[in-house]
Amino acid sequence: EIVMTQSPVTLSVSPGERATLSCRASQSITSNLAWYQQKPGQAPRLLIYGASTGATGIPARFSGSGSGTEFTLTISSLQSEDFAVYSCQQYNNWPPTFGGGTKVEIK
Amino acid sequence: EVQLVESGGGLVQPGGSLRLSCAASGFTFSSYPIHWVRQAPGKGLEYVSAISSDGGSTYYANSVRGRFTISRDNSKNTLYLQMGSLRAEDTAMYFCARRDITGYYSYWGQGTLVTVSS
Repeated sequence: EIVMTQSPVTLSVSPGERATLSCRASQSITSNLAWYQQKPGQAPRLLIYGASTGATGIPARFSGSGSGTEFTLTISSLQSEDFAVYSCQQYNNWPPTFGGGTKVEIK
Repeated sequence: EVQLVESGGGLVQPGGSLRLSCAASGFTFSSYPIHWVRQAPGKGLEYVSAISSDGGSTYYANSVRGRFTISRDNSKNTLYLQMGSLRAEDTAMYFCARRDITGYYSYWGQGTLVTVSS
């Protein structure tokens, strides 16, 4: 199965700053990658699919890029509600697999 | 509004059984494959099991194959996960999630916590 590796594990960012999260696949997944946001005690929320397409209702400050094995989620200007755990998921191969997550915390 | 509501979690002894349910509303349940995804404490998300829209095809992660059974009742808009021979490593929050045609999960439930401990 495809292994998804996220870095860093924890990212400390000040409100208003830019955050850049990485996700790497163990083999090419073309653009079949999704990003999710998860807050404590809440369900994951779809942010990005197709590596770069924003899900319905997701603010424009969230953007995704990449293809093949290297992907990036960028939050252009962190708001207080953006401090959460972010996970990537590949759906190019079966079974679907997730990265271990990146926790974005307040600096 | 799309809603997925899990129930049935709890504390169970190793070797025990539990049945989880996921009640769906706000969309045509019978048109979508639904997956179970779990998250162990402090860990990442892990695919557990999947079922096709008509229930005719089922899939399992290697870690649960032979112990868990997924099913659905489209007349009741409900998904199930029958869990048996439970182990400590099955301790996790279990989410049901609607899989869209290309493979990402567009909607998730809030989860139900399963704790396997003596």
